[in-house]
Amino acid sequence: EAQVTQNPRYLITVTGKKLTVTCSQNMNHEYMSWYRQDPGLGLRQIYYSMNVEVTDKGDVPEGYKVSRKEKRNFPLILESPSPNQTSLYFCASSLSALAGGYTDTQYFGPGTRLTVL
Amino acid sequence: ELKVEQNPLFLSMQEGKNYTIYCNYSTTSDRLYWYRQDPGKSLESLFVLLSNGAVKQEGRLMASLDTKARLSTLHITAAVHDLSATYFCAVDIVRNRDDKIIFGKGTRLHILP
Repeated sequence: EAQVTQNPRYLITVTGKKLTVTCSQNMNHEYMSWYRQDPGLGLRQIYYSMNVEVTDKGDVPEGYKVSRKEKRNFPLILESPSPNQTSLYFCASSLSALAGGYTDTQYFGPGTRLTVL
Repeated sequence: ELKVEQNPLFLSMQEGKNYTIYCNYSTTSDRLYWYRQDPGKSLESLFVLLSNGAVKQEGRLMASLDTKARLSTLHITAAVHDLSATYFCAVDIVRNRDDKIIFGKGTRLHILP
């Protein structure tokens, strides 16, 4: 089954304690992306990756890191989480526009609800 | 600044009525998407619109794109309760070797029986 998986689904942590949210897709997609969703703000792109070893900042990258060492995985790293990073996080993947994937939409993971105390 | 504006942000309507959600964006774009999100769930793809004048329909939902006006619409025909959800448009902006995606704030649709 084609899917995007995220782990953990729920996480409560404390300020300053490093954490990683994993994201994996099994569709051989080039493009992967992280979003955060906050009430009244919609989804905002944090980072995206157009292929292995290629990552770029989205609209709200501060306080986050990502890596893309393999095509299927795109972990989101919070080196020193703060309460303003409490949010619902979604990972998504798609074919890449630059690689000619013009007709494909993004496939979203189930979301990770993060609370930073 | 890249902006994607949806309106209305909240819509309460009765079953059987028609209505339209609007999505305006501030720069040229190669693709526009519509997604649906049910409470507590992830996003589900509805439509991908690729060119000026594109129109797609699925059941009671129809989406269109006018790239010259930088406007997309999502039209709901004879609404039913099952269509209650939050609807997002998103614009894919490809420039040189960048490919950013900007979402609107979403339209929360509540359909009254």
